[in-house]
Amino acid sequence: SQQGEEDPQALSIQEGENATMNCSYKTSINNLQWYRQNSGRGLVHLILIRSNEREKHSGRLRVTLDTSKKSSSLLITASRAADTASYFCATDRPNGNEKLTFGTGTRLTIIP
Amino acid sequence: DAGITQSPRHKVTETGTPVTLRCHQTENHRYMYWYRQDPGHGLRLIHYSYGVKDTDKGEVSDGYSVSRSKTEDFLLTLESATSSQTSVYFCAISKTGSDQPQHFGDGTRLSIL
Repeated sequence: SQQGEEDPQALSIQEGENATMNCSYKTSINNLQWYRQNSGRGLVHLILIRSNEREKHSGRLRVTLDTSKKSSSLLITASRAADTASYFCATDRPNGNEKLTFGTGTRLTIIP
Repeated sequence: DAGITQSPRHKVTETGTPVTLRCHQTENHRYMYWYRQDPGHGLRLIHYSYGVKDTDKGEVSDGYSVSRSKTEDFLLTLESATSSQTSVYFCAISKTGSDQPQHFGDGTRLSIL
């Protein structure tokens, strides 16, 4: 089945540094979404980027999408301790408009 | 935060017993989803609903059934629980499907002994 795969699986950086996570997927998509999950909580939507978009920003978050390489990246600038969480990408299906497929996530730890 | 409530939040039960998890929303969203989250597997879709009485299977639907008799409620039932169904279960809602964000509840931690 089509699935986004995040890379790296885990990432530790110092507070204030930038964090970059990558997502690769297998087949064409209509959109790709990024979510954050804090420990013991549900996922929280961060950004949705459509297949005809190349870059999108939201506060300290920057998402890029390269449909030719079937990949996306999430950049968090000037990281904070509160950014410690797991981050997931999710892709839809080319012919369906109802379901998302989630990757296994990147565990980000910000060291104060 | 989107109004999504999952109940119970924690449950411990024995193999072979039936279990029903409830997801309640106050957003009047059309789509509702049930996922399970296990280490190394991420989130996997169990079942979803695209309207009252309209449901479909996800990638890990065996051993699970769902019902949606009202817009606001989506029930997930394990007819005869097995230890392999020990997991954290998440409900999510969406206005119009995968072209919109999904909003998640805080999960139900289910342990089957």
